[in-house]
Amino acid sequence: AQRVTQPEKLLSVFKGAPVELKCNYSYSGSPELFWYVQYSRQRLQLLLRHISRESIKGFTADLNKGETSFHLKKPFAQEEDSAMYYCALSPISGSARQLTFGSGTQLTVLP
Amino acid sequence: DTGVSQNPRHKITKRGQNVTFRCDPISEHNRLYWYRQTLGQGPEFLTYFQNEAQLEKSRLLSDRFSAERPKGSFSTLEIQRTEQGDSAMYLCASSLGSLRAYEQYFGPGTRLTVT
Repeated sequence: AQRVTQPEKLLSVFKGAPVELKCNYSYSGSPELFWYVQYSRQRLQLLLRHISRESIKGFTADLNKGETSFHLKKPFAQEEDSAMYYCALSPISGSARQLTFGSGTQLTVLP
Repeated sequence: DTGVSQNPRHKITKRGQNVTFRCDPISEHNRLYWYRQTLGQGPEFLTYFQNEAQLEKSRLLSDRFSAERPKGSFSTLEIQRTEQGDSAMYLCASSLGSLRAYEQYFGPGTRLTVT
């Protein structure tokens, strides 16, 4: 069975400090990993995916297959980064490509 | 087109009643997903349509739940004989064909409260 674990429900950092949101997964095949974000009063939206290897809004995430982790990092947090962050995985094969989400981490960036 | 829309946004119903939710995906998206989100949890996959065909259903989708997408455009999710455990946010998402299937666009959700 596939599973995504986000061990921190809440995370607070000061503006300008580095931030790391942890994500671990279990999956029998080769998954694709994502980070989704939900800002206050907005919809859930895709932040980044591991295959693209992009930096979005200063965030990066590296897939570590050995540790089955996909932690989200940003070197200097901004107040506008405060949001709920969900790690998710999707099977690469198969037609549905449905997402399995973690339980989320609420990030608060303090002034 | 301002994105995925869902109606109603909120629904309060008494236990045992039937409810129906509607989702209108982004017009060119042929894939449509339903998820359920309970308090403190991430969304959980319920079912998936490609055009009008329902291709996958989660074990979470009991016999009381039925979903349709009759013309491959909007979709409805019906819950019969609602139970208090059905109280949740029901999210709809849509995406383009297989090459962009990973990028799902979510609607605002329908919050169901069963009293």
